[in-house]
Amino acid sequence: AQTVTQSQPEMSVQEAETVTLSCTYDTSESNYYLFWYKQPPSRQMILVIRQEAYKQQNATENRFSVNFQKAAKSFSLKISDSQLGDTAMYFCAFMKHGDDMRFGAGTRLTVKP
Amino acid sequence: SQTIHQWPATLVQPVGSPLSLECTVEGTSNPNLYWYRQAAGRGLQLLFYSVGIGQISSEVPQNLSASRPQDRQFILSSKKLLLSDSGFYLCAWSPDSSNQPQHFGDGTRLSIL
Repeated sequence: AQTVTQSQPEMSVQEAETVTLSCTYDTSESNYYLFWYKQPPSRQMILVIRQEAYKQQNATENRFSVNFQKAAKSFSLKISDSQLGDTAMYFCAFMKHGDDMRFGAGTRLTVKP
Repeated sequence: SQTIHQWPATLVQPVGSPLSLECTVEGTSNPNLYWYRQAAGRGLQLLFYSVGIGQISSEVPQNLSASRPQDRQFILSSKKLLLSDSGFYLCAWSPDSSNQPQHFGDGTRLSIL
């Protein structure tokens, strides 16, 4: 079974600075997908970024980028120029083709003014 | 465009009472449908998923059940709620091609008294 581990229950960062959220996963598959979801206080789940395992290039979406290390099974999220609106729970998720999504326990990020 | 509706947004129920949470998807056909639970301070746990009408797979044995009476309708039920059923419930959908991320409803906060 695939597992997803987020080892940082809580993190904080000053506004405008950069923060990195960690995620590791365990799988024997070679073809899969990785995601980061954001859950603000409103509890809505928002897709932040996705990465296909067959792509070596790290995905980026504006201020959000990932560091995908396939051999190490690591998928960290970097948030640059942090904004107050980035305060939220962040979930790392894994999905292999033909299967369901598996989530980590989440990291609560607080952006301080 | 596709939308997902989940209701009610909040619910307070006594122990032993029945439960029915409803989720509908618009703008797509034959979606995969999912029910997740997010307990306080924990990640998302997949409860049920469905790939078609009347097809339900259960991930975690418990006193909850799910039904899919129509293509775009997914219902989470219980005959007798337990205190441990308290939490935040999220419905999600994905296209029937499983390599796409899931899209989430706004969630239901369920409190058992």
